[in-house]
This record gives sequence, structure tokens and C-alpha cells, in this order.
Amino acid sequence: QKEVEQNSGPLSVPEGAIASLNCTYSDRGSQSFFWYRQYSGKSPELIMSIYSNGDKEDGRFTAQLNKASQYVSLLIRDSQPSDSATYLCAVRGYSGGSNYKLTFGKGTLLTVNP
Amino acid sequence: ETGVTQTPRHLVMGMTNKKSLKCEQHLGHNAMYWYKQSAKKPLELMFVYSLEERVENNSVPSRFSPECPNSSHLFLHLHTLQPEDSALYLCASSQDKASPHFGPGTRLLVL
Repeated sequence: QKEVEQNSGPLSVPEGAIASLNCTYSDRGSQSFFWYRQYSGKSPELIMSIYSNGDKEDGRFTAQLNKASQYVSLLIRDSQPSDSATYLCAVRGYSGGSNYKLTFGKGTLLTVNP
Repeated sequence: ETGVTQTPRHLVMGMTNKKSLKCEQHLGHNAMYWYKQSAKKPLELMFVYSLEERVENNSVPSRFSPECPNSSHLFLHLHTLQPEDSALYLCASSQDKASPHFGPGTRLLVL
């Protein structure tokens, strides 16, 4: 059973701080990694994707991937109250077949306090 | 309309009812998905269609029946559901195996 693990939180940070969200996965063959943000009552929206080891930066967001440790993280700099949401980690492994399946974690609830 | 649309947005049904969920994507994508999101559980993939052919069927009970008449439309036919099927049902689309773009979801309550 391929799994993606995240701390459920809540993770609470003050406005302007760095929020660090972590995710581990069990399938060593995983190739693609995604972070989705889901506001309460809304559907998930993609904020970052990463495919190779190292860091990938997009504005205030940085995704970090370490395949040897089977670990992917998301850093949010200068956190804003509007960043308060549940952050979902998703992983696509190589399972043969169609390989369309993304495995999601349960998500981490982030609260940014003004 | 842009993106991925779903109807109805909310649905209440009894266990003996038959209903259908509808999804339409306006992104020109060639793959469509049904996901289920229950409280305290990860998003679960139910079905994937690529170029109108079902390519994933994630051990979903037969009381859920998908239909993909063309690359822009996807249905989920529901019959004799159980209360534990109450959840948010999310449709998504993607171009090939790129990350899926989700619709707003249908909130389903089975009584």
C-alpha cells in the first residue's frame, strides 16, 4: 500500500513568519510531487509541482524534494492570513499500467495569525 | 464557463434513489477523474478516463458507475448508496498525466 504521510496539524504561525509543511512517502519509485492548497469548503488547487531533487521556488513558495529520504516539503515565506488553508501533498509513483493515479496525504491545516 | 464545472453542487438522496453527478471541463484536456473526499481521510481516486477510455478503476463498489461520452464530459451514476458514501465528490481533468485541475465538487448526503 503506497502511502503519503503528513502531520494533520493544526500548524499555527504568526503573520510574516515562515511556515514549513512536511510530507513523507513510501513508494521509492515515485516520480512527481505536488502541493495543493484547499480552503475550507473549496476544492484543491495546485500551487507547486516538483520532479527532481533540490529546491524549486515560486514567489513566496519553495518546494524541497529529497528522494533518498523520501521527503518533500513546502516552505511559505512571509505567511499571510490568506494562506490559512489545508495543504495537501500528492505523489505520483511509477506503478506501471496507466500511471494516472496521484496518492494524496490527509493534509496539514495551516493557520496564520494576524 | 471556464475550468471544470460540476452539477449539482449539493445532493441529498435516500438509499434507494438513483441519481447522477455531472462534470464538464472547458480546458481542452484529454483525461478526466472522479475523486472522493471524506472527512479525516485522504482524497481517494475512484476512476480515470483518458481519451474516453477508462484507465483506472480503484476498487470502487459497483453502486458507483462512471460514464465518459466524450473528452469534455464525465458522469457518475449512483444507485443504492449507503450512508458511508456521503462525501465530497470531486471531478478533475488534466492534459495527459499532468497534475489534475479540480472542479468545485458535489457535496453528497445519503440518508
